[in-house]
Amino acid sequence: DGGITQSPKYLFRKEGQNVTLSCEQNLNHDAMYWYRQDPGQGLRLIYYSQIVNDFQKGDIAEGYSVSREKKESFPLTVTSAQKNPTAFYLCASSIRVERAQYFGPGTRLLVL
Amino acid sequence: GESVGLHLPTLSVQEGDNSIINCAYSNSASDYFIWYKQESGKGPQFIIDIRSNMDKRQGQRVTVLLNKTVKHLSLQIAATQPGDSAVYFCAEKYYGGSQGNLIFGKGTKLSVKP
Repeated sequence: DGGITQSPKYLFRKEGQNVTLSCEQNLNHDAMYWYRQDPGQGLRLIYYSQIVNDFQKGDIAEGYSVSREKKESFPLTVTSAQKNPTAFYLCASSIRVERAQYFGPGTRLLVL
Repeated sequence: GESVGLHLPTLSVQEGDNSIINCAYSNSASDYFIWYKQESGKGPQFIIDIRSNMDKRQGQRVTVLLNKTVKHLSLQIAATQPGDSAVYFCAEKYYGGSQGNLIFGKGTKLSVKP
């Protein structure tokens, strides 16, 4: 997992509730990413950030929001607008956007 | 070992044999490729990468081959061990693209029989 931590490991969301997934890295990487993984599927990009205070939408940003106030932190909020949030969420970072991404251990989000 | 394409998502090999996992990538302009290993319930783990100016790169017990003519990437694992059992993803990156993401394949599940 190489210096990238995600918490919690499991998260339960009630209907209509916003939840925030934490991602921290101590690799001094500029770029950070959030992916969603569904069973038997590849990874789909939600948001990414190349530098502090900047982030870009990925392929499936609707119903999610992020912030990048510190270089080492890139939290993801799953809002009530995300109607199918049950998935495995993966955070990654890289030295910069063009380089290999390294992943955290993931957070599994379940809906009650 | 036995080679498979992504349309056959499972590869079963005997411990000690060599494994070959194949990947057909989508964009002829992609110029950077990565192989990841993902064990059940864990995040993907970087294995090896290769740039398009190379056609072969070796790591510890792994070799990646790149054939740009047919847009094909393969991962060879020598002397496969039970600990190699996992899903293996290839990822491609278009260097000149504006998006920051890698494009991931759906993966091939490698099962090692003792």
